[in-house]
Amino acid sequence: QSVLTQPPSVSAAPGQKVTISCSGSSSNIGDNYVSWYQQLPGTAPKFLIYEDKKRPSGIPDRFSGSKSGTSATLGITGLQTGDEADYYCGTWDNSLNAHVFGTGTKVTVL
Amino acid sequence: QVQLVQSGAEVRKPGASVRLSCEASGYTFGNYYMHWIRQAPGHGLEWMGLVNPSGGGTSYAAKFDDRITMTTDRSTRTAYMELRSLRSEDTALYYCARKKSDGFDIWGQGTVVTVSP
Repeated sequence: QSVLTQPPSVSAAPGQKVTISCSGSSSNIGDNYVSWYQQLPGTAPKFLIYEDKKRPSGIPDRFSGSKSGTSATLGITGLQTGDEADYYCGTWDNSLNAHVFGTGTKVTVL
Repeated sequence: QVQLVQSGAEVRKPGASVRLSCEASGYTFGNYYMHWIRQAPGHGLEWMGLVNPSGGGTSYAAKFDDRITMTTDRSTRTAYMELRSLRSEDTALYYCARKKSDGFDIWGQGTVVTVSP
């Protein structure tokens, strides 16, 4: 059972914007950096966002991250069919002494 | 290029053990912790633990602590994860992943482990 809560699914039309929330607590998101991962069907997760809002090389600026208190958010603008995937947030949890992932959110492009 | 290549699929009976490997290339192996993460069919990502290739220190998730061992061989740039006393709930896709900048920047292709009588 994950300690980070995400909505099961979000959807929008091509070109539109979606946001995915990741809710945690003071022992995880509230005190550590958040990263985000994109998992296309049948593939390994891909590094999308690190240190709350930074993008690795090669990740388009359509993807953005933010954090406030014990919640983080991933934003995707200019939605494309290729963005259909599962998205996970992750961070360290000081109480569990473990890395924790969110429950995952499936993005559907209508 | 920087990559992690994992060993092939495994099938085990309940109660058996499995040892998976993860060979790194394209970077200085000892400079980055290696983590193991698994994903059961239709489920999300579950962190299992980490190993420091420089020194061998480990940290495991509490639920696996008594039946998991992570090691590395710097001479072959390979990380290993052994899981013992397997049960059906351990059927999953197992990933190794490099930790960089508070995130997992490089992932292996995954190894399927099936536990079945």
